[in-house]
Amino acid sequence: GAVVSQHPSRVICKSGTSVKIECRSLDFQATTMFWYRQFPKQSLMLMATSNEGSKATYEQGVEKDKFLINHASLTLSTLTVTSAHPEDSSFYICSARGRSGEKLFFGSGTQLSVL
Amino acid sequence: SQKIEQNSEALNIQEGKTATLTCNYTNYSPAYLQWYRQDPGRGPVFLLLIRENEKEKRKERLKVTFDTTLKQSLFHITASQPADSATYLCALGHGSSNTGKLIFGQGTTLQVKP
Repeated sequence: GAVVSQHPSRVICKSGTSVKIECRSLDFQATTMFWYRQFPKQSLMLMATSNEGSKATYEQGVEKDKFLINHASLTLSTLTVTSAHPEDSSFYICSARGRSGEKLFFGSGTQLSVL
Repeated sequence: SQKIEQNSEALNIQEGKTATLTCNYTNYSPAYLQWYRQDPGRGPVFLLLIRENEKEKRKERLKVTFDTTLKQSLFHITASQPADSATYLCALGHGSSNTGKLIFGQGTTLQVKP
């Protein structure tokens, strides 16, 4: 099946620093990528939808200046958490959908811990 | 507001039995529903998709039903195995299944004991 690679899998950073998370579709072209955030034992919360070559669409309550999303190519999307604070600590997961696909292919997630 | 409910309590069953997980929703009219499996510290993995005009879908030991009147989907795993232990998420979508976004339930954790 299609593979989505997400890096890094875990990052620990100091408060105030910025963290970039990469999401790559390895064997298909991802026309749409989604970024989710998940707290322990809770649902995946959709943060934003990004289409290749256009600006991301953010869900209500998600700060676009805080969570910068770039989808520069059909195989790569990045999420940058700017000036991270402890409350940004969470599990971030990307997913990708190809042109003809119905299902989502998920990355393995990134556990962000902000000290 | 739209709401998706899955059993928050873990489901514990004996190996070989059938596991049944429930997904209920309110204030929503999804065009399709998907089920995913998520292991700890990992991203979800797609299992099945069922559309609003379909009553039932099967894949190997998995069976999904979709009742738009009851606003409910049931997910069955027959002849369950310890390897089936994981969290199972239901997700609802509307519009074209190729372009629409998915809204996820909080998941139900299944524990299959040998």
